[in-house]
Amino acid sequence: EAGVAQSPRYKIIEKRQSVAFWCNPISGHATLYWYQQILGQGPKLLIQFQNNGVVDDSQLPKDRFSAERLKGVDSTLKIQPAKLEDSAVYLCASSPLGLGGRGLNYGYTFGSGTRLTVV
Amino acid sequence: QQQVKQSPQSLIVQKGGISIINCAYENTAFDYFPWYQQFPGKGPALLIAIRPDVSEKKEGRFTISFNKSAKQFSLHIMDSQPGDSATYFCAAFTQGGSEKLVFGKGTKLTVNP
Repeated sequence: EAGVAQSPRYKIIEKRQSVAFWCNPISGHATLYWYQQILGQGPKLLIQFQNNGVVDDSQLPKDRFSAERLKGVDSTLKIQPAKLEDSAVYLCASSPLGLGGRGLNYGYTFGSGTRLTVV
Repeated sequence: QQQVKQSPQSLIVQKGGISIINCAYENTAFDYFPWYQQFPGKGPALLIAIRPDVSEKKEGRFTISFNKSAKQFSLHIMDSQPGDSATYFCAAFTQGGSEKLVFGKGTKLTVNP
């Protein structure tokens, strides 16, 4: 099966500019996640979608970050305006399981990420 | 608040040696503990996982040891190989409301030939 696709792979922008990332999850996966991974740290969840509805966006800086999941499939994450501290890898992941369903093989499939550098 | 604490931050092991990475957690509601392996330029990939009702799980050269009373778990890589050089993340799954993984800060493993 095809993996989680993300684009672009790299992006360099100046602070205060805007940027958008795109994610295409594995076909049929109900749940989609956006994680932020700052250099030297573990991934931190930004937002979780179940189909096209938001399940958890408690750690999303909503004054500058926004995300949507179109028709429960593709998703875009936008930053406007960007700050220097937004420099990170933005990872998209998907899972076939919905709320309440998990087994021992529960595991997200991650994309390769978009590396954002804000200068 | 760091919900999953991971150590060491970096680890250098000789080929054939044993690599050990440790994690500790606070939230007793966690009920699923996976380990992820990440190579440079790639996303994390699920390596092995365990539930707290099991004290040990082995898959090939990779073993998770779990101590529920101490709220600690560890990854052991036996016969470490240069191809194992990567960053390893422990994680924990949190119940209630949304379901999400919480990651440790990662351990960069280098296996010297």
